[in-house]
Amino acid sequence: AQSVTQPDIHITVSEGASLELRCNYSYGATPYLFWYVQSPGQGLQLLLKYFSGDTLVQGIKGFEAEFKRSQSSFNLRKPSVHWSDAAEYFCAVGALAAGNKLTFGGGTRVLVKP
Amino acid sequence: DAGVIQSPRHEVTEMGQEVTLRCKPISGHNSLFWYRQTMMRGLELLIYFNNNVPIDDSGMPEDRFSAKMPNASFSTLKIQPSEPRDSAVYFCASSPYPKNTGELFFGEGSRLTVL
Repeated sequence: AQSVTQPDIHITVSEGASLELRCNYSYGATPYLFWYVQSPGQGLQLLLKYFSGDTLVQGIKGFEAEFKRSQSSFNLRKPSVHWSDAAEYFCAVGALAAGNKLTFGGGTRVLVKP
Repeated sequence: DAGVIQSPRHEVTEMGQEVTLRCKPISGHNSLFWYRQTMMRGLELLIYFNNNVPIDDSGMPEDRFSAKMPNASFSTLKIQPSEPRDSAVYFCASSPYPKNTGELFFGEGSRLTVL
C-alpha cells in the first residue's frame, strides 16, 4: 500500500527566508508525486508534480521540489518566502494506472513571521 | 472555466438527520473523487468514480455513507443517519480520464457540523 509521511506538522519561517518541507513516500512502483497547497477555507491547489525525467521540478509561486529515489523523498523548497505563502502544504503519491487515486500526507502548516 | 462546484459550503445539522452533499465536476473530467478532511485523520479518500462507475469505495467509513454519480456532471455523497464524528470538511475533486495528467482539481469543500 502506498503512504506518505510529512514529518513536520508546523514550520515557522521568517519572511524572506528559505523554506524546505519534507516528504517521504512508500510505493511499490515508480511513483507519481505531487505537492498541493491549501489556504484557509479553500480547496487544494496543485503546486507541482513529478512523473519522470528531470528530478528537479519547478512549480507555481516560485516553488520547486526534488525527487530522490534512493531516499524515497520529494522535498519542497522555496528560496525566499512571502507572507502569502502561509498555508498548509500536502505531499501526495499516486499512480495513473489507479485512475489518479492519490494518497496524501498529513500536511505541514507553514507560518510566516514578518 | 468553472472549477469543481460543491454545495452546500456549510451545513449544520443534528445527529440522526440525513445529509446530502453535492458536487459538479469540471466539464469533460471523467474521474470524480470524494475526500474527507479532519484534524485527526487528515485527507482520506472515501470513494472515486471513473465514467460514473464507482471504482473504489474502500474508504467509505460504514453503511451510513453512500455516494452516487447518476451522470457525468453530478455526484452526491449522502450520510444517513449523521453522527457527530462525521463532522469534517468534505472535498470533491475531478480529473480528466483516461487521458489524464495525474492532477486532481478540488472544489472548495463542504464543511459539515453534526451536533
